[in-house]
Amino acid sequence: KAGVTQTPRYLIKTRGQQVTLSCSPISGHRSVSWYQQTPGQGLQFLFEYFSETQRNKGNFPGRFSGRQFSNSRSEMNVSTLELGDSALYLCASHPTSGSGGTGELFFGEGSRLTVL
Amino acid sequence: GNSVTQMEGPVTLSEEAFLTINCTYTATGYPSLFWYVQYPGEGLQLLLKATKADDKGSNKGFEATYRKETTSFHLEKGSVQVSDSAVYFCALKQAGSYQLTFGKGTKLSVIP
Repeated sequence: KAGVTQTPRYLIKTRGQQVTLSCSPISGHRSVSWYQQTPGQGLQFLFEYFSETQRNKGNFPGRFSGRQFSNSRSEMNVSTLELGDSALYLCASHPTSGSGGTGELFFGEGSRLTVL
Repeated sequence: GNSVTQMEGPVTLSEEAFLTINCTYTATGYPSLFWYVQYPGEGLQLLLKATKADDKGSNKGFEATYRKETTSFHLEKGSVQVSDSAVYFCALKQAGSYQLTFGKGTKLSVIP
């Protein structure tokens, strides 16, 4: 069974640009979450999607947005990039149940964004 | 709000040494608790979990017990190996939510 696939793995942008990151979940998983990982703040929750609907959003500015498609693939977008947006962006998928699931997330290897 | 505090690293141990990584949490109600591990160049993967007080999660020789009275979930292993070198994250999840709250991670290096 293929794991969670994130593209691109590495990218470099300059301040003010925008970026789109892609995530393909494990087949059959309908829920996708995004996390930002930095040395200073650790792992911080960005948002979670299920059936093309955003169910939960972390404490990030509106420059961070996402969406999910009917095939469960997800994208996140960051507009007007700032130096502080440099981070590893992790996508995770999980099987879904009515009670919040078991909590086991299946993570991709991440997209490492560097903003110059 | 929810928060997880784990011991700062890095931690360096010799092979076969005993490992403890401390983790405490703040949350309302009865969250589920997790340890995730991130090996070099890989994504995070679930190591073990516990869903209620006094539960013990275990996997690959690692253990952690959900202590409600001390709000702790310390990770232990009796004899570490070089292959255990990784970053370990403690995390919690509230019932009914899919959002995990992570600690900042503890980097473990095991030397031969």
